[in-house]
Amino acid sequence: DGGITQSPKYLFRKEGQNVTLSCEQNLNHDAMYWYRQDPGQGLRLIYYSQIVNDFQKGDIAEGYSVSREKKESFPLTVTSAQKNPTAFYLCASSGYTWGTDTQYFGPGTRLTVL
Amino acid sequence: AQSVSQHNHHVILSEAASLELGCNYSYGGTVNLFWYVQYPGQHLQLLLKYFSGDPLVKGIKGFEAEFIKSKFSFNLRKPSVQWSDTAEYFCAVNAQTGANNLFFGTGTRLTVIP
Repeated sequence: DGGITQSPKYLFRKEGQNVTLSCEQNLNHDAMYWYRQDPGQGLRLIYYSQIVNDFQKGDIAEGYSVSREKKESFPLTVTSAQKNPTAFYLCASSGYTWGTDTQYFGPGTRLTVL
Repeated sequence: AQSVSQHNHHVILSEAASLELGCNYSYGGTVNLFWYVQYPGQHLQLLLKYFSGDPLVKGIKGFEAEFIKSKFSFNLRKPSVQWSDTAEYFCAVNAQTGANNLFFGTGTRLTVIP
């Protein structure tokens, strides 16, 4: 079954702790992305990676870090420096379909800081 | 930088009513345009996209959108909504050259009353 998986579905963190969100894809896509979704604000880009071992900051990268050691995996770490980490986090990957590069999304991880 | 505006934050319709959700973008170059839908508790899914050719694009579940270049608009339409169309709808844009980063609108929540 091809697609994008994110784990865990729900995550609770105490203030001051780092936490890592998992994102795996078996679509053989080169590019992967992390977004943050807050009510009334749409999706905002945190980090993206066009190829293995390379990644770029998005619009709201402060307090987050990523790695891209394998094509299939793009984990996101929410550090203690992120001032307002409670949000819904979406991972995406993109591939060329229907004539243009298109992003496909995972089911998301809801992070709550206690 | 690109930006996307969705002016309707929450739309409430009765079943069988017609739907039009507004989307305007700002960018001087050639763009790809997308509509995504997020049903309650489900993944963000691609409804339709435009990248070239016929400006009237048909997507899944009876949705269509029209790209009007002179108005920088890409409004989503459906002639007759169903209760199952209740969801949040996001318009997104990226440039056809350069990085593939998607810029999202803030979303429109659609509630269809049976």
